[in-house]
Amino acid sequence: SQQGEEDPQALSIQEGENATMNCSYKTSINNLQWYRQNSGRGLVHLILIRSNEREKHSGRLRVTLDTSKKSSSLLITASRAADTASYFCATFFYGQNFVFGPGTRLSVLP
Amino acid sequence: EAQVTQNPRYLITVTGKKLTVTCSQNMNHEYMSWYRQDPGLGLRQIYYSMNVEVTDKGDVPEGYKVSRKEKRNFPLILESPSPNQTSLYFCASKDRLNEKLFFGSGTQLSVL
Repeated sequence: SQQGEEDPQALSIQEGENATMNCSYKTSINNLQWYRQNSGRGLVHLILIRSNEREKHSGRLRVTLDTSKKSSSLLITASRAADTASYFCATFFYGQNFVFGPGTRLSVLP
Repeated sequence: EAQVTQNPRYLITVTGKKLTVTCSQNMNHEYMSWYRQDPGLGLRQIYYSMNVEVTDKGDVPEGYKVSRKEKRNFPLILESPSPNQTSLYFCASKDRLNEKLFFGSGTQLSVL
């Protein structure tokens, strides 16, 4: 059962601009994670935010979590061409499993 | 280097011919899982294993088998592949305390 849903499905921006992606989910979670995938390769973990956290930063990444709305957002500041990839949110609940959304395809144009 | 290794990277086969995709991790992780990725559907879990000799079905287990005889290996077996199993497959692992998943590079399977 798919839980995470990313929005938008695709996003195209210019280098230097900020990119914002959103994720919605349906049930209780222990944490929410964001992963990045370059062109059919394996996913790479970016950042994890726990259910009792509201915001987290890692370099140019900023993640927010609103458990009342069951939503999260990933902000990439000052985007670079190398940020071009697909981004997935994944929810995790102890005793259950990871559930991934369909992803957002980000294109950063030089 | 800590990694999850999948083989083969690409595989073309015909309907009904049994195949195995191997997955091995060198991080001593307890948890391992298999996903398939199809356009517009994201990653869907096929099977997972919490530890040696413990496996459970994910969301789309039909047509697949797995085994976990050793901690480091978690092969995915397709006894009688069909064209609807054409997909990109990923193996992933994590340890019991860390909730971050480590992914293999993927196996692109085509069933003709």
